[in-house]
Amino acid sequence: QLQLQESGPGLVKPSETLSLTCAVSGGSISTSSYYWGWIRQPPGKGLEWIGSIYYRGSTYYNPSLKSRVTISVDTSKNQFSLKLSSVTAADTAVYYCASNSGNYYADYWGQGTLVTVSS
Amino acid sequence: SYELTQPPSVSVSPGRTARITCSGDALPKQYGYWYQQKPGQAPVLVIYRDSERPSGIPERFSGSTSGTTVTLTISGVQAEDEADYYCQSADSSGETVFGGGTHLTVL
Repeated sequence: QLQLQESGPGLVKPSETLSLTCAVSGGSISTSSYYWGWIRQPPGKGLEWIGSIYYRGSTYYNPSLKSRVTISVDTSKNQFSLKLSSVTAADTAVYYCASNSGNYYADYWGQGTLVTVSS
Repeated sequence: SYELTQPPSVSVSPGRTARITCSGDALPKQYGYWYQQKPGQAPVLVIYRDSERPSGIPERFSGSTSGTTVTLTISGVQAEDEADYYCQSADSSGETVFGGGTHLTVL
């Protein structure tokens, strides 16, 4: 069974870049079965899809975040990463990484990590 | 881009049937998926491809679709089913959208 674990700073200053990594265990990230995605949830609010990546590098981004988001994959480390630039308080959220079956739905999720944007 | 619309809340007595709807113009062409999220926890997939149930999900959870609406049905609701439920869909270009979420209250 796949396991995913997010890591990264819990506090980011406004205008800086948020960077998170998701380590995948229990399976290879270089599989044709899955895409690898990021979802976030502001405190007390709903889920928002950020984007996803295939192990060969194809990326898919939420149009509303596309100009600020970069998702990358490191197959040698079995992990993938999220960068969100020019953050504001509105980017404060719990960030989840997930495996996306066929790039359609998330069947395994990380536990989530809270990132607060504040000076 | 497209939208998925859910009712903010649904209430049901224990043992009764809860139905949570999700509407969107893209749903006749795309599958709907459902997640359950309890406080402080990551979401859990409970229905995929409109009506398929992942292993480990109780049989009382079922899904259906009709036109522009997908429905999550929980039969014989139990207190442990109180949670937020989110629908989700994705198109062939890889764009994924979540509904706003429905809080299920078990009275």
